[in-house]
Amino acid sequence: GDSVTQMEGPVTLSEEAFLTINCTYTATGYPSLFWYVQYPGEGLQLLLKATKADDKGSNKGFEATYRKETTSFHLEKGSVQVSDSAVYFCALMIYNQGGKLIFGQGTELSVKP
Amino acid sequence: EPEVTQTPSHQVTQMGQEVILRCVPISNHLYFYWYRQILGQKVEFLVSFYNNEISEKSEIFDDQFSVERPDGSNFTLKIRSTKLEDSAMYFCASLGWAAGDGYTFGSGTRLTVV
Repeated sequence: GDSVTQMEGPVTLSEEAFLTINCTYTATGYPSLFWYVQYPGEGLQLLLKATKADDKGSNKGFEATYRKETTSFHLEKGSVQVSDSAVYFCALMIYNQGGKLIFGQGTELSVKP
Repeated sequence: EPEVTQTPSHQVTQMGQEVILRCVPISNHLYFYWYRQILGQKVEFLVSFYNNEISEKSEIFDDQFSVERPDGSNFTLKIRSTKLEDSAMYFCASLGWAAGDGYTFGSGTRLTVV
């Protein structure tokens, strides 16, 4: 079945370090791909998205490119801040399956000053 | 910016009691969802709802669960007889018609069953 696999956390970085959180997926159809962020004690916020192969989603300095050949959607940021500390979820959606989101297990990021 | 509103933010209930979690989705959205996140774990799909009926449900969504959109604005999740393992954060979400838009999630209801 469809699934999403993320790198395990927690990931601990110093401020201004480069961030990569790996995400790979398995899907029978043509999914849209998303990154959601969950700050401590809060809900899920859409961070960025890509709807087809080679699309790049970007927001708040974060980027991810939809790579169909490697079935990946890795999240990157060039210089993280303490305020980026959160849990990041990769997810896929196949719209003609009713729009169900399938999430990865989440990766906790902790950025130290 | 339009929001999905969930109430209450935290609910404590005794095992075996019925609970109703409430959500007000974005008004022009067509698809509605409930997800669950047990503390420290991944977010899991429970049910999707479209055109006043369930379109898909997971194996978690057994006979103890039901959903309803009683008045065209609220979207509720009912758990008939709560179990300890129902303790989790429950998220409501809604989706518009555009395929790649992504959901808008509510801020969640933390359900604690004691």
